[in-house]
Amino acid sequence: DQQVKQNSPSLSVQEGRISILNCDYTNSMFDYFLWYKKYPAEGPTFLISISSIKDKNEDGRFTVFLNKSAKHLSLHIVPSQPGDSAVYFCAASAKDMRFGAGTRLTVKP
Amino acid sequence: KAGVTQTPRYLIKTRGQQVTLSCSPISGHRSVSWYQQTPGQGLQFLFEYFSETQRNKGNFPGRFSGRQFSNSRSEMNVSTLELGDSALYLCASSWGSGSNPNTEAFFGQGTRLTVV
Repeated sequence: DQQVKQNSPSLSVQEGRISILNCDYTNSMFDYFLWYKKYPAEGPTFLISISSIKDKNEDGRFTVFLNKSAKHLSLHIVPSQPGDSAVYFCAASAKDMRFGAGTRLTVKP
Repeated sequence: KAGVTQTPRYLIKTRGQQVTLSCSPISGHRSVSWYQQTPGQGLQFLFEYFSETQRNKGNFPGRFSGRQFSNSRSEMNVSTLELGDSALYLCASSWGSGSNPNTEAFFGQGTRLTVV
């Protein structure tokens, strides 16, 4: 039962442009949402989060948007840099944390 | 402050065997969660322990079990290994308590299990 879905397995963008990663969820009980970044041979690292009482949270080049009515979450990275190339996981939390399948972002120089 | 430590990093087992993986959380964190990562499936939630009690459990068969010790270290056990159990097993620790579960989790580097 995939309660958190990332429908795009991969995304490729040019350096300096915006990267938009999308995530959908089905469980309306989720009240806290997070994005994690994962490099090969490393565990995921926390990137940014948002509470369900907000619709936007910004941290430097990273902004997360939450649309509760659509049960949709997105992560914007602007400007994108080659070092941002990694797998990005969306996560949602209620009584436990559930993750999406991940989107592999490639930022080309 | 030391991060989450998982041992061993790599493991090769034969079908039918059992395996135990270990996770030492960040000092002060009392919540430990386990995830299985396979290509295309993302991170599948196995279970979460808080203060030595299993708080939540994912949709995995009973061959997957775990426990947590008084020092918050956790172990995960898989019995009667199957080829499909080959995966990266990740452990995450967080400060989150029952009254405030929504805190970010910090992951270890994982244990790569290969079943042959």
